[in-house]
Amino acid sequence: KAGVTQTPRYLIKTRGQQVTLSCSPISGHRSVSWYQQTPGQGLQFLFEYFSETQRNKGNFPGRFSGRQFSNSRSEMNVSTLELGDSALYLCASSSRDLQPGELFFGEGSRLTVL
Amino acid sequence: DAKTTQPTSMDCAEGRAANLPCNHSTISGNEYVYWYRQIHSQGPQYIIHGLKNNETNEMASLIITEDRKSSTLILPHATLRDTAVYYCIVRPGTSGTYKYIFGTGTRLKVLA
Repeated sequence: KAGVTQTPRYLIKTRGQQVTLSCSPISGHRSVSWYQQTPGQGLQFLFEYFSETQRNKGNFPGRFSGRQFSNSRSEMNVSTLELGDSALYLCASSSRDLQPGELFFGEGSRLTVL
Repeated sequence: DAKTTQPTSMDCAEGRAANLPCNHSTISGNEYVYWYRQIHSQGPQYIIHGLKNNETNEMASLIITEDRKSSTLILPHATLRDTAVYYCIVRPGTSGTYKYIFGTGTRLKVLA
C-alpha cells in the first residue's frame, strides 16, 4: 500500500510569490491534515480536512489556505510568501475517524523562500 | 501550547532500554496519549498510543501512571536507528479531529 505522497519535495520561491503544495493520502484515508515545521517553532498544526470540509484550523494568517478534493487529495496554498514561510510542510492522513487513530505522515515538502 | 512536558534530550547505550518520560498533568479523562518519533528530515512516525492501560506493540511499550498525569515510552533494546526526536502528544478530546499539538520533544541519541 502506497504511503502519503507529497509533491514537490523541494522548491525555492521568492518573497511575494505564491506556492501550492499537493498531498495524496493513503488510499481509503479521508482525513488529511497539514503541519508546518520550522527550527524555531517546531511542528505546528495548519489545518485539517475531512470529506472536502475544513474541520479544524491552526493559528496561521489567511495567506495559508487549503482544500480537499472528492478523491481525498489535498492541496495547500501560501500566498504572498515571506521569508518566515521557509519550512518543511508535512501532510498526514488517517482513516479511523471518530476513533483514536494514528496519523501517517508524508516525507514533506521543503520550501525555501528567498 | 503543548499539554506535555518532556526532557530536551537523552542518551542511551545501544542494546539497552530507552525510557522516555512525559508529563501530562492536565490530561482530561477522554484524552489519549500518543507517541511519535521523527528521524532527521523525515515525517513523524507513529509509535504507540494509550488511554489508561499499559500498551505494548512491536516497537515499544507505553506505561501510563494510574493518575494518568505522566507516562513513559520504553524502547526495550535501543538501536542506532532509534536515534530520533520523540514526541509525546495528548490528543484533544474533541472526537473526529486530528489536530495534534506537538511539543518540543525529546532528542534521543543512541550511542554505540
